[in-house]
Amino acid sequence: KQEVTQIPAALSVPEGENLVLNCSFTDSAIYNLQWFRQDPGKGLTSLLLIQSSQREQTSGRLNASLDKSSGRSTLYIAASQPGDSATYLCAVRGQNFVFGPGTRLSVLP
Amino acid sequence: EAQVTQNPRYLITVTGKKLTVTCSQNMNHEYMSWYRQDPGLGLRQIYYSMNVEVTDKGDVPEGYKVSRKEKRNFPLILESPSPNQTSLYFCASRGDSLHEQFFGPGTRLTVL
Repeated sequence: KQEVTQIPAALSVPEGENLVLNCSFTDSAIYNLQWFRQDPGKGLTSLLLIQSSQREQTSGRLNASLDKSSGRSTLYIAASQPGDSATYLCAVRGQNFVFGPGTRLSVLP
Repeated sequence: EAQVTQNPRYLITVTGKKLTVTCSQNMNHEYMSWYRQDPGLGLRQIYYSMNVEVTDKGDVPEGYKVSRKEKRNFPLILESPSPNQTSLYFCASRGDSLHEQFFGPGTRLTVL
């Protein structure tokens, strides 16, 4: 059964810092991996989708990488801003869609 | 605008009173699913549907029913709600295995 973990569980950084969020999964037989952002009490906003054949995807200040063989993905956020404060979730698409527990990010002004 | 809609957004009900949460997508997606999100447990899949009249259980299907009579709609039915079904529910859809999944805004359900 696929298990997804995310490290760290919470992170607090000053504005302007570059940061990395980590996602690990146990079964490398995946179609793709998707990163989401969730604001408190709100829905999920899709940030990046990486297909299993890809190594990375970029959107603005966000860069996500995927190493399928080692079961890892990272989300890199450049020049963080207070508006980036949210919970970041990774989810892997294999037989089912399995979410990690999330990383709660606070960017302090 | 491409979107997944859910209704109601907020619902407070009592134990045993049947309820339905509707979900609709306007992207002609074949795949739809329901999740619940609980503190400390994250997002867990309840049911999913690969196409019209094709549904299957996710990780936590007990106490829920679904139907897929039309491609765009995928209602979640709680025949006899119980307090442990108090949660935040999300509906989602996608085109195929390679496409990203889109989520609705969520339905916050409280069962007293």
